[in-house]
Amino acid sequence: AQSVTQLGSHVSVSEGALVLLRCNYSSSVPPYLFWYVQYPNQGLQLLLKYTTGATLVKGINGFEAEFKKSETSFHLTKPSAHMSDAAEYFCAVTNSGGYNKLIFGAGTRLAVHP
Amino acid sequence: GAVVSQHPSWVICKSGTSVKIECRSLDFQATTMFWYRQFPKQSLMLMATSNEGSKATYEQGVEKDKFLINHASLTLSTLTVTSAHPEDSSFYICSARDVGQWATDTQYFGPGTRLTVL
Repeated sequence: AQSVTQLGSHVSVSEGALVLLRCNYSSSVPPYLFWYVQYPNQGLQLLLKYTTGATLVKGINGFEAEFKKSETSFHLTKPSAHMSDAAEYFCAVTNSGGYNKLIFGAGTRLAVHP
Repeated sequence: GAVVSQHPSWVICKSGTSVKIECRSLDFQATTMFWYRQFPKQSLMLMATSNEGSKATYEQGVEKDKFLINHASLTLSTLTVTSAHPEDSSFYICSARDVGQWATDTQYFGPGTRLTVL
């Protein structure tokens, strides 16, 4: 069975500081990995995804994530936090091959301080 | 591209009434849509998978007679909460899988519907 663990339910950074949100997954088959962001009272917006190919994936709003198979990780980073990055972030995994359900992590709330 | 809408964005109803929530993929076709429920400060809980032209597949513990799902076209799925009660109050989010991106399992999410049952 697949699972996702997001380390740290709350992360707080200063504006301009590095953002690092951690995600580890468990999967017996090659995974597809996703990061979504959710602003208050809104749906989820896809930030980036890894399916195959290059393990460093760039997404929207300056975010990127690196798939590390040996560490079963897919951590999300951004070099310089902006106040508008404050939101809830969800990591999700599914099996490769299509027509599979997304398995979400518990989420990490990112706070950005001036 | 890849926009999913939900209607209504919020609804307040009396206990015992039924509420219908629509989920539409605006610029792509979706043979599969998903319905999630989200409690405050929690992750998304998958309720059911909606397949165009066939019956929905419900997750364990979700009452199919309580939460009726219809996926009548490639761009529309509806969730009807029947005989709603206060415990059904929640944030309901739908997502749609682009039929053109089926191999990558990419789901696009709607903005959510806040249901409050009095």
